[in-house]
Amino acid sequence: GDSVTQMEGPVTLSEEAFLTINCTYTATGYPSLFWYVQYPGEGLQLLLKATKADDKGSNKGFEATYRKETTSFHLEKGSVQVSDSAVYFCVFGYNQGGKLIFGQGTELSVKP
Amino acid sequence: GAVVSQHPSWVICKSGTSVKIECRSLDFQATTMFWYRQFPKQSLMLMATSNEGSKATYEQGVEKDKFLINHASLTLSTLTVTSAHPEDSSFYICSARDGAAEKNYGYTFGSGTRLTVV
Repeated sequence: GDSVTQMEGPVTLSEEAFLTINCTYTATGYPSLFWYVQYPGEGLQLLLKATKADDKGSNKGFEATYRKETTSFHLEKGSVQVSDSAVYFCVFGYNQGGKLIFGQGTELSVKP
Repeated sequence: GAVVSQHPSWVICKSGTSVKIECRSLDFQATTMFWYRQFPKQSLMLMATSNEGSKATYEQGVEKDKFLINHASLTLSTLTVTSAHPEDSSFYICSARDGAAEKNYGYTFGSGTRLTVV
């Protein structure tokens, strides 16, 4: 069945460190892939997306590339800031049906 | 951009009472709304999918008589937790999809409702 697995948190980094949050998926079809972010006390926000293989989604310095051969969509940022502290969710969905499948979330804490 | 207003943001209720949570799309028509439940430090679990004017589709293991979902208009969906018990305490999140942009993954999430049953 469809599922998403992402690396467990919490992840604690110092400011300006490099970030990677791994995400792999199992899909029965050809999904679109997303990263959502949940800042403390707020709702989920779409961070970036990729709708087909080899697409790269990017936003606010974050990037993720849709790798069909490895069924992965790892999130990266070259230099994190304290304001990036949040929970990050790897998600996928199909064009039809509208249902989203969420990974378990990875909590990121960035220290000054 | 698209905004979904979820109300209340938090509620405390006594065991055995019912609680209603509202989810409104403020500047678009939401043909489909989703209700999720989030346990501490865990992912979002989809509870049900509701389409305007029809009965909600519940995920396996979700009690439809306990979690009543109504989607009477294109801008409003409600989740009612009936006869709430402490184990229903959780964070509930709604999400709406813009019906005018079916191929745009324009899912917009509400800010969530923290329910505590005492």
